[in-house]
Amino acid sequence: KAGVTQTPRYLIKTRGQQVTLSCSPISGHRSVSWYQQTPGQGLQFLFEYFSETQRNKGNFPGRFSGRQFSNSRSEMNVSTLELGDSALYLCASSNDNYGYTFGSGTRLTVV
Amino acid sequence: QKEVEQDPGPLSVPEGAIVSLNCTYSNSAFQYFMWYRQYSRKGPELLMYTYSSGNKEDGRFTAQVDKSSKYISLFIRDSQPSDSATYLCAMSAVDGSARQLTFGSGTQLTVLP
Repeated sequence: KAGVTQTPRYLIKTRGQQVTLSCSPISGHRSVSWYQQTPGQGLQFLFEYFSETQRNKGNFPGRFSGRQFSNSRSEMNVSTLELGDSALYLCASSNDNYGYTFGSGTRLTVV
Repeated sequence: QKEVEQDPGPLSVPEGAIVSLNCTYSNSAFQYFMWYRQYSRKGPELLMYTYSSGNKEDGRFTAQVDKSSKYISLFIRDSQPSDSATYLCAMSAVDGSARQLTFGSGTQLTVLP
């Protein structure tokens, strides 16, 4: 059974640019969540989608957005990148219980 | 003050030792408790998942939840060098529409051969 797939694995962007990250959940999982991981703040919740609807959003600025498609694949977008957005972005999927399976993440570096 | 507190370590033990990892929390609404293991350059891997109070055992791993003390633990018996990783506790409140995990900062564990 394939796990959670995130693309790309690594990304380098310049301040002010925007970026889109992609996540393919485990087949059959309809809940997809996104987290930001940094050395200083640890893992922080960004948002959660279920059946194409955002159910919950963390305390991040509006530059962070996401969406989920009918096949449960999800994307997150960060506009007007700042140096502080450099982080590991993790996607997790679940069949709507609390046992979330994480992908390996996309490491974003903003220069 | 953070909702979930976890000693960051680092923790170093000899192979075969019993390891005890702990988290405390302040939000009494938390009902789901999880332990994740994260290897370097990988995403967190779910180890244990417990609802409400009590103990749960899976192989060499035992998770304990004491809601009266707002304290959770993970015990690793017969620790192996392959257990060397960062261990993260995570928890969530019961809410059908709010699936949000709150994580501890992680404890870095090294098991020495």
